Amino acid sequence: DSGVTQTPKHLITATGQRVTLRCSPRSGDLSVYWYQQSLDQGLQFLIQYYNGEERAKGNILERFSAQQFPDLHSELNLSSLELGDSALYFCASSSLEGGNYGYTFGSGTRLTVV
Amino acid sequence: DQQVKQNSPSLSVQEGRISILNCDYTNSMFDYFLWYKKYPAEGPTFLISISSIKDKNEDGRFTVFLNKSAKHLSLHIVPSQPGDSAVYFCAAKAGAGGGAQKLVFGQGTRLTINP
Repeated sequence: DSGVTQTPKHLITATGQRVTLRCSPRSGDLSVYWYQQSLDQGLQFLIQYYNGEERAKGNILERFSAQQFPDLHSELNLSSLELGDSALYFCASSSLEGGNYGYTFGSGTRLTVV
Repeated sequence: DQQVKQNSPSLSVQEGRISILNCDYTNSMFDYFLWYKKYPAEGPTFLISISSIKDKNEDGRFTVFLNKSAKHLSLHIVPSQPGDSAVYFCAAKAGAGGGAQKLVFGQGTRLTINP
């Protein structure tokens, strides 16, 4: 157990629907990062929050949004889902001094859009 | 723009031999590099890292080499063991400290260790 909890582990939904992925960071970590891994692709950075505020944005679609709550858990909202959104979505967390050890990842949410 | 590239999608190595995984980067601002290992149905886990002020870092069977002039790093695993079979991701960031720096990942290399 890495200490980063992602729910649900699996999600199957239809095109056009909206889903919410949840992440609880490791205790004490203030930063949360969301990454997408599509088939045969690397980990693509989506967005980062630090202590409730958005800090960095990557290749995140306008149909996607995220937030980090006061208790530091984060949610990634995916709307108007398309078949191409099927992927593994990882959440990671780091402390302020994330430095040498980078991030701690959760086990991911596998989203299948049918 | 793929700033971190792992050009070999897969690698097969005999148990007991050396595994060498390669990674190239284009952003000269990167000064901290990490390798992650990923098993199926699990998230990536940190393996080893290296700062740009070094050219080698060793941890047990794992050694990472950095060639800044070539913007190239490699991970050596010796001797390779069946449990090393996994996908390995190279990652880089600008700034070794501070949680605000996002990691940029390569596409990953699937390593298979054959008995």
